[in-house]
Amino acid sequence: IQMTQSPSSVSASVGDRVTMTCRASQGISTWLAWYQQKPGKAPELLIYGASSLESGVPSRFSGSGSGTDFTLTISSLQPEDSATYYCQRANSSPPGLTFGGGTKVEIK
Amino acid sequence: EVQLVESGGTLVQPGWSLRVSCAASGFTFSTYWMSWVRQAPGKGLEWVANIKYDGSEEYYVDSVKGRFTVSRDNAKNSLYLQMNSLRADDTAVYYCARIRYSSGGYYRDFWGQGTLVTVSS
Repeated sequence: IQMTQSPSSVSASVGDRVTMTCRASQGISTWLAWYQQKPGKAPELLIYGASSLESGVPSRFSGSGSGTDFTLTISSLQPEDSATYYCQRANSSPPGLTFGGGTKVEIK
Repeated sequence: EVQLVESGGTLVQPGWSLRVSCAASGFTFSTYWMSWVRQAPGKGLEWVANIKYDGSEEYYVDSVKGRFTVSRDNAKNSLYLQMNSLRADDTAVYYCARIRYSSGGYYRDFWGQGTLVTVSS
């Protein structure tokens, strides 16, 4: 199962609503995760089960979708949200659990 | 507090072997699948290997099959990645990550800080 993210990068202003997508080559129900990675740091889990917010993650982040098409939305972009965001399929047992190519979010 | 601390990354020549380690603390290590994920300079995340909580199952990305071996020592709360026949394209930061099972899915919920492996002559 391949995971494809778009766009590869997005530039937006503080306060903007930012949306990015992840598409699976086969249906994966809601078994999808989103991670945030800031430069020089390890990734952090943001969302699991396509729409469940990990503990401690700000409520401006939200996820939606099922089957093959998923969305990560930042409702009001903050300076600290400048990062690369990766989706990861989470279905079946762990063999694989492959990542998408990432979407880089930059602040204008 | 969950902690994962990788070690062992260094500069090696092509064809050499290297073992990197991950020391886990703050959770019951023996009840979690664990994972190695790597990131080449300026590139995205690539899963490398996953190992079941009791070590009875291992899975690898095709590019490392036959060269890399993941293992664990639950008595020492440690995860390992033995890398043989290293190539330049294995150059990356190697992260260990805990895999959490939640609502039917598997999620990497805690990550170490990573260890850099550089393969170059």
